[in-house]
Amino acid sequence: SQTIHQWPATLVQPVGSPLSLECTVEGTSNPNLYWYRQAAGRGLQLLFYSVGIGQISSEVPQNLSASRPQDRQFILSSKKLLLSDSGFYLCAWSVGPTGELFFGEGSRLTVL
Amino acid sequence: GNSVTQMEGPVTLSEEAFLTINCTYTATGYPSLFWYVQYPGEGLQLLLKATKADDKGSNKGFEATYRKETTSFHLEKGSVQVSDSAVYFCALSDQSVSGYALNFGKGTSLLVTP
Repeated sequence: SQTIHQWPATLVQPVGSPLSLECTVEGTSNPNLYWYRQAAGRGLQLLFYSVGIGQISSEVPQNLSASRPQDRQFILSSKKLLLSDSGFYLCAWSVGPTGELFFGEGSRLTVL
Repeated sequence: GNSVTQMEGPVTLSEEAFLTINCTYTATGYPSLFWYVQYPGEGLQLLLKATKADDKGSNKGFEATYRKETTSFHLEKGSVQVSDSAVYFCALSDQSVSGYALNFGKGTSLLVTP
């Protein structure tokens, strides 16, 4: 069966520090991968998606970047965090036009 | 692009009460519609889905019908339990975005009291 893992689960970082959140999927090949951010009162915002290794599409201009170095690995990064980067980050995967996304457990980032 | 609007929360109900959470959508084409549930501190889980007009999705006593004429996908449950307390998200597939991403509503928080 397919599983998805995110880490770290919780992170507290100072403003200006770097960020790396990692997501891996097991049990499937060539998944579409997504990063969403959930901020209080704002629902889920799609940040990045990837349909293959090295292929990254950004949905909103921001302080963050994403990379997909391997088929089932998706990384969210920042060189210098802002206060506004605080939130709950969710990685998800899908395998095509059925539309269903499968989510990881989430990573809660607090920037102080 | 495609978008979803769902009712503001929080919604507070007593156990065994009837639940309705409204969801309407704006879309070109024929999107699939979804309800996801998020329990405290966790990621999102698919609750139910419908892929075409008049389809009814159902799971764990929850139901929602894809109404093209009213562009709605309201979530209902006849008798809620304390364990149903969670945040519920309506979503639709956005065919304008490659990679089959979903657009989500802002979520509706449900609290069920004993």
